Amino acid sequence: GNSVTQMEGPVTLSEEAFLTINCTYTATGYPSLFWYVQYPGEGLQLLLKATKADDKGSNKGFEATYRKETTSFHLEKGSVQVSDSAVYFCAPSLRTASKLTFGTGTRLQVTL
Amino acid sequence: GAVVSQHPSWVICKSGTSVKIECRSLDFQATTMFWYRQFPKQSLMLMATSNEGSKATYEQGVEKDKFLINHASLTLSTLTVTSAHPEDSSFYICSARKGVNTNVLTFGAGSRLTVL
Repeated sequence: GNSVTQMEGPVTLSEEAFLTINCTYTATGYPSLFWYVQYPGEGLQLLLKATKADDKGSNKGFEATYRKETTSFHLEKGSVQVSDSAVYFCAPSLRTASKLTFGTGTRLQVTL
Repeated sequence: GAVVSQHPSWVICKSGTSVKIECRSLDFQATTMFWYRQFPKQSLMLMATSNEGSKATYEQGVEKDKFLINHASLTLSTLTVTSAHPEDSSFYICSARKGVNTNVLTFGAGSRLTVL
């Protein structure tokens, strides 16, 4: 089955700082990889995805590259904003799988 | 786009009562919906997979008689927490899959249940 390891939070950064949230996974087959974001009191929203090796997903200034050789999908953003404060979940999923496997989530807190 | 609506967004009930939470796909048909439970500052725990027109598939450790799931139409799945107790207090989130050959999910905003 699939499993995910995310860096433990909380991660506290000042506005405009560089962000990296590490994610490594184990999976049978060749999964698609996702990052979801959960803002306070809300459900999850798809942030970005990558479906094959070396693909780069990007959205709202966030990026993550599918690294098959290191089984990683680290999330990065060059300059975070206060509005980016949320919990970020990494999740692999096989194309025909019925469910996503979520990491424990990493809480990001951005301060002025 | 794909929008999933959950209702109610929050509910408070007395111990021993039952509570129903609805999950609707507003602009697409969802043959499969998923129900998750999230404890404070923790990840999502998949409770069950709800398939339209058939019985839900529950994850190990989830009581099917406690958490009743009905997926009567392609746009609606319901989760009923029966005889609720304070330990059932949690944030419940549903998600829906648009189409069959995809693993992209759209999530509802969640329903916070507090059992007194």
